[in-house]
Amino acid sequence: GDSVTQTEGLVTLTEGLPVMLNCTYQSTYSPFLFWYVQHLNEAPKLLLKSFTDNKRPEHQGFHATLHKSSSSFHLQKSSAQLSDSALYYCALSDRCSGNKLIFGIGTLLSVKP
Amino acid sequence: GGIITQTPKFLIGQEGQKLTLKCQQNFNHDTMYWYRQDSGKGLRLIYYSITENDLQKGDLSEGYDASREKKSSFSLTVTSAQKNEMAVFLCASSPRTPSSYEQYFGPGTRLTVL
Repeated sequence: GDSVTQTEGLVTLTEGLPVMLNCTYQSTYSPFLFWYVQHLNEAPKLLLKSFTDNKRPEHQGFHATLHKSSSSFHLQKSSAQLSDSALYYCALSDRCSGNKLIFGIGTLLSVKP
Repeated sequence: GGIITQTPKFLIGQEGQKLTLKCQQNFNHDTMYWYRQDSGKGLRLIYYSITENDLQKGDLSEGYDASREKKSSFSLTVTSAQKNEMAVFLCASSPRTPSSYEQYFGPGTRLTVL
């Protein structure tokens, strides 16, 4: 069945360093991949979504590239900010999952001064 | 824009008690979801509903009931609260199809069982 793997539970970075959060997936069909971000005491909200035409989605300095060959959708940012500290979820949907999103376990990003 | 409202924000219950959580959305979305959020376990789907009076079980439906009374509201019932249980329950909504549409989340209900 479909699944999403986020290998890091916690990533701690110093402000200004690059961010990379890993996401790999298993899907029978061509999936859509999503990154959601949840700041402390807030609702999760969409950060990025993959495009069908292989364009690279970008938002708030974050970007992610869907690599079908390696089944990955890693989240990247060139320079971490303190305000990036949050919980990040990678998620997948496809024809098999229908209306459902399959979420990874989440990666907590902690950015320190 | 729209908003998802969850009530109550905090819920404290006793072991064995039946507890009900409510969710309202004004996006006019067809599909609504209930997730349980536990640290280190991600978001796990409890129930979802693709239209009024429809119910579909998720991976974590045991111990829960749900009700989609109308398009804008979706309730979740913990049938028998477990002692020392602590979790956040998140409600979400999305347009029905296709699968490329995002889900919009509410702020959550934090459950503590004494």
